[in-house]
Amino acid sequence: GAGVSQSPSNKVTEKGKDVELRCDPISGHTALYWYRQRLGQGLEFLIYFQGNSAPDKSGLPSDRFSAERTGESVSTLTIQRTQQEDSAVYLCASSPGLHSDTQYFGPGTRLTVL
Amino acid sequence: KQEVTQIPAALSVPEGENLVLNCSFTDSAIYNLQWFRQDPGKGLTSLLLIQSSQREQTSGRLNASLDKSSGRSTLYIAASQPGDSATYLCAVRPVDSNYQLIWGAGTKLIIKP
Repeated sequence: GAGVSQSPSNKVTEKGKDVELRCDPISGHTALYWYRQRLGQGLEFLIYFQGNSAPDKSGLPSDRFSAERTGESVSTLTIQRTQQEDSAVYLCASSPGLHSDTQYFGPGTRLTVL
Repeated sequence: KQEVTQIPAALSVPEGENLVLNCSFTDSAIYNLQWFRQDPGKGLTSLLLIQSSQREQTSGRLNASLDKSSGRSTLYIAASQPGDSATYLCAVRPVDSNYQLIWGAGTKLIIKP
């Protein structure tokens, strides 16, 4: 079956612009996660969804970051007024349930803020 | 605060060699530990998952061990192949978290033909 997909694969934007990143999880997976990976670093947890609800938003770096999920499917991560330090690969993962051991990852979106 | 460290950051070995990648964590209160492989443009793939009660897991040429009391895990790759070239990440799930994984920065492995 289809895996987790993300779009765009690459995004170059100018400082101050807003960007929207999209994640399509595996069908039927109720849990969805967003991570940020800066160059040469491990993954940094941003937010997770159980269904359409995001109980823990504490990982979001600032109020410029927001995320939503609709229909227990597609999720979008929005970064407003992008800064150069936002440049990173943004990874999305999904799992059958919140307590599942295995998360299935998408290929990521590489964001470059000039 | 749980911290995960992977050493070395990069490793280059000739094809055919056996090798060991290291992962250490500061808090032994973990639910499990996972090793992932990351290929450029292809996301992450889970390789091995070790529950806190287990000592090791094996899959093909890969063997992962866990010593929870000392905060260490190793990933052993036997008879390395050029296709093993990738970045290998380890991640732990703390016992006080239902969903969060704490990640190391990874070891970039290059297998030279």
